Amino acid sequence: DTEVTQTPKHLVMGMTNKKSLKCEQHMGHRAMYWYKQKAKKPPELMFVYSYEKLSINESVPSRFSPECPNSSLLNLHLHALQPEDSALYLCASSQELAPDTQYFGPGTRLTVL
Amino acid sequence: AQSVSQHNHHVILSEAASLELGCNYSYGGTVNLFWYVQYPGQHLQLLLKYFSGDPLVKGIKGFEAEFIKSKFSFNLRKPSVQWSDTAEYFCAVNEKIKAAGNKLTFGGGTRVLVKP
Repeated sequence: DTEVTQTPKHLVMGMTNKKSLKCEQHMGHRAMYWYKQKAKKPPELMFVYSYEKLSINESVPSRFSPECPNSSLLNLHLHALQPEDSALYLCASSQELAPDTQYFGPGTRLTVL
Repeated sequence: AQSVSQHNHHVILSEAASLELGCNYSYGGTVNLFWYVQYPGQHLQLLLKYFSGDPLVKGIKGFEAEFIKSKFSFNLRKPSVQWSDTAEYFCAVNEKIKAAGNKLTFGGGTRVLVKP
């Protein structure tokens, strides 16, 4: 089973709202990732968690705040977003091996008004 | 930093035609290479991957890819496409960041439209 689940599927929020995206995997993977995908563009890495610790932050603005409560869960807290942050947000997980394979969730389609 | 380039942004072909999508990467060290597919309205799925060994790798749904180290290429092929192969295809290269995890860099993607 290589399933990564994400909720919600769609989210519409105003620029003053606070919301959270959730990601879950039960494959025993020790690395989890957040990617942002704009329309007709490839996914771009935002954050990497390795063994529940933030290991890579690709210079993401602080209005995006990741959290890894445990090895199966990954959250992305959103606050004071801009309309240009509207995108598909993808979560992925991997075993944290060398070499490694990432498996992706279906994404959350975010619209910021 | 690694970069991945896919030569074709859009490909249109008829069913039963052969498909080849080009992918070149910039990294000169040990590479782990992937092709992912994104069907309309669906999530990214792994088509195939190359880590080491036989440079010709076979994936799901009849796809294969050839790793040519001297050309820094990892081209995707399918001998006979079906309408259901309509999708966006992404080549990606993985870089292991010491003590920090893995970083996947994607090419720009190729939109493939198969006409019935």
